[in-house]
Amino acid sequence: GENVEQHPSTLSVQEGDSAVIKCTYSDSASNYFPWYKQELGKGPQLIIDIRSNVGEKKDQRIAVTLNKTAKHFSLHITETQPEDSAVYFCAASRGFKTIFGAGTRLFVKA
Amino acid sequence: DVKVTQSSRYLVKRTGEKVFLECVQDMDHENMFWYRQDPGLGLRLIYFSYDVKMKEKGDIPEGYSVSREKKERFSLILESASTNQTSMYLCASILGRVNNEQFFGPGTRLTVL
Repeated sequence: GENVEQHPSTLSVQEGDSAVIKCTYSDSASNYFPWYKQELGKGPQLIIDIRSNVGEKKDQRIAVTLNKTAKHFSLHITETQPEDSAVYFCAASRGFKTIFGAGTRLFVKA
Repeated sequence: DVKVTQSSRYLVKRTGEKVFLECVQDMDHENMFWYRQDPGLGLRLIYFSYDVKMKEKGDIPEGYSVSREKKERFSLILESASTNQTSMYLCASILGRVNNEQFFGPGTRLTVL
């Protein structure tokens, strides 16, 4: 079946450094790619998304890139801060079906 | 702000019990979803509903059923709880077209003994 692979599973960075999380999807019909952040004790919350007709999108310190040919998409966080520490999920969506990656636990050390 | 609430944050049940997990959203969303979240597996879709009384199976529906009698409420039912259903359960809703932001509840951590 369809799947989304997400790497790395754990990422530790120093405050102020950049963090990159990469995902690969298998369903070539996927056309919506959201990224969610989950803080301890809370449900996931959307931080940025990208649609299949766009290659890159930026919102302040976070950016997402999409390569439809290679079926890769990535999340980039610049100037990381301790409050960026959380679990991040990528997802690939088509209609009602959304497949999530396994998650990346990001630690930002002060 | 959209608010999705779930009836319990923590729940402990015994094997064989019937379990109800309730989810309510306050923004008139048509589509609602139930996921389970397990370490290393991400979120997996159990069931979704695209309208009142309408439901569809997700990727892992076995051992679960759902009910949607009102637009704002979507219930997940474990007919006979088993230990392998110990997990975090997340409810979500979407406004309008499906390729859109999902709004999640805080989750219910269910332990089946």
